[in-house]
Amino acid sequence: DAGITQSPRHKVTETGTPVTLRCHQTENHRYMYWYRQDPGHGLRLIHYSYGVKDTDKGEVSDGYSVSRSKTEDFLLTLESATSSQTSVYFCAISEMLAGGPWEQYFGPGTRLTVT
Amino acid sequence: GESVGLHLPTLSVQEGDNSIINCAYSNSASDYFIWYKQESGKGPQFIIDIRSNMDKRQGQRVTVLLNKTVKHLSLQIAATQPGDSAVYFCAENGSSNTGKLIFGQGTTLQVKP
Repeated sequence: DAGITQSPRHKVTETGTPVTLRCHQTENHRYMYWYRQDPGHGLRLIHYSYGVKDTDKGEVSDGYSVSRSKTEDFLLTLESATSSQTSVYFCAISEMLAGGPWEQYFGPGTRLTVT
Repeated sequence: GESVGLHLPTLSVQEGDNSIINCAYSNSASDYFIWYKQESGKGPQFIIDIRSNMDKRQGQRVTVLLNKTVKHLSLQIAATQPGDSAVYFCAENGSSNTGKLIFGQGTTLQVKP
C-alpha cells in the first residue's frame, strides 16, 4: 500500500466524544488527503494538505479538522462525533512533479462507528 | 457543477470475456484521469491513468480510452479473471492544481466462472 498506514483500523465511539484518526506515510510525498466513503456517495474529500501546516477544506469538511505538523503525518479529528460520521475513512498521498499531477495512493482505511 | 459518473452500477461478465467499464465527466478543464480498483475491505488501488494529450493508454491487460469530444472515459479489461471482481472508480482532476481528484460513484464488476 505504497507506504501508507492508518490507525486505528477500526473504532467504535459514542456520540459527542472526540476522535482522532492518524495517517502516516513513508514516501515523503507533499500532498495528503482524507476521504470518507459511504454507500451511494463514493469517495468524498474531507480535507487535504499541500505541505506541513498547509491544509484546506474539501467538499464535506463540516465537523472535521486536520493537522499536519510533519511531512509524514496527517491527522483527522472529529471534535464531537455524530452518528452521521459513521463511515470508512481513507487517507491518500500524491506528489506533483513537472508535467502535472500524479496518481493518489490510498491507505487501507479506518472503519469508524459512532453509536 | 463538476461530476464524474459511471454509466452502469453493476457489470456482470463471463470469465475470459473482455470487460468495458464506462465513465462520463463534465469538467472540460480536467486534464488527468485515473482508474482505481477497490476490493472489499481494502483501499482503492491505482490501475492506470491517462492525460488529456493522449487518447489511449495500455497497461497489463487493461486499456484506458479517452474521448475528450464527448467527455467519456472507458476502462477495458482483457480476458477478465475472477480476481478482477471489484468496484471500479474513475476520477478526474477537474480544475485543481493541488492534486485533488473528483471520483465517480463506482461500477461493480462481477466475474462469473
